Amino acid sequence: EVQLVESGGGLVKPGGSLRLSCAASGFTFSSYSMNWVRQAPGKGLEWVSSISSSSSYIYYADSVKGRFTISRDNAKNSLYLQMNSLRAEDTAVYYCASPRELGDVGSFDYWGQGTLVTVSS
Amino acid sequence: DIQMTQSPSSLSASVGDRVTITCQASQDISNYLNWYQQKPGKAPKLLIYDASNLKTGVPSRFSGSGSGTDFTFTISSLQPEDSATYYCQQYDNLPRTFGPGTKVDIK
Repeated sequence: EVQLVESGGGLVKPGGSLRLSCAASGFTFSSYSMNWVRQAPGKGLEWVSSISSSSSYIYYADSVKGRFTISRDNAKNSLYLQMNSLRAEDTAVYYCASPRELGDVGSFDYWGQGTLVTVSS
Repeated sequence: DIQMTQSPSSLSASVGDRVTITCQASQDISNYLNWYQQKPGKAPKLLIYDASNLKTGVPSRFSGSGSGTDFTFTISSLQPEDSATYYCQQYDNLPRTFGPGTKVDIK
């Protein structure tokens, strides 16, 4: 059974940093691209970042480019999101998500439970 | 960026009703469109991929159609457990973008 478990969320002041983690199990993590998607309170879904299986290809939404860094450790079956220079508008539940099948770069099939990041003074 | 619009933004229907949600892309996305269901406090769930393919295990009352810029999501016979928000999402281009969502309530 595929499981994705996020951690690392919390309350941080504007300008601060936070590192989110996503522990994956139940599938060959090293073979799949991975994604972060966020949802501000009461709002819709926003794709944040994607990383290919070998970390060769990395993409970001313009809203986080230059502030967030996605990475992965295939030996630890883990995905990360380093978030710097946080702003109030980054307040959201952050989900890690894996695609539907090998080679799929467009769908978000398996999701974690999400971790809440609150940016406030 | 490709903008996704959905209509209606919300609807209320009775059990057994046929429910239709439309999604429009700001440019041709072929069939690179997914549909998700999200219930309050839960992660989204993929229902339909490639515009019209039902994910394994998803009830057959859910269906999708369309290509290019115009897409339709249908629940053929609404059930109480279908009360949720539904999102379309394109993956023709980066950034991946979602529609604003359609909230479906049961009368």
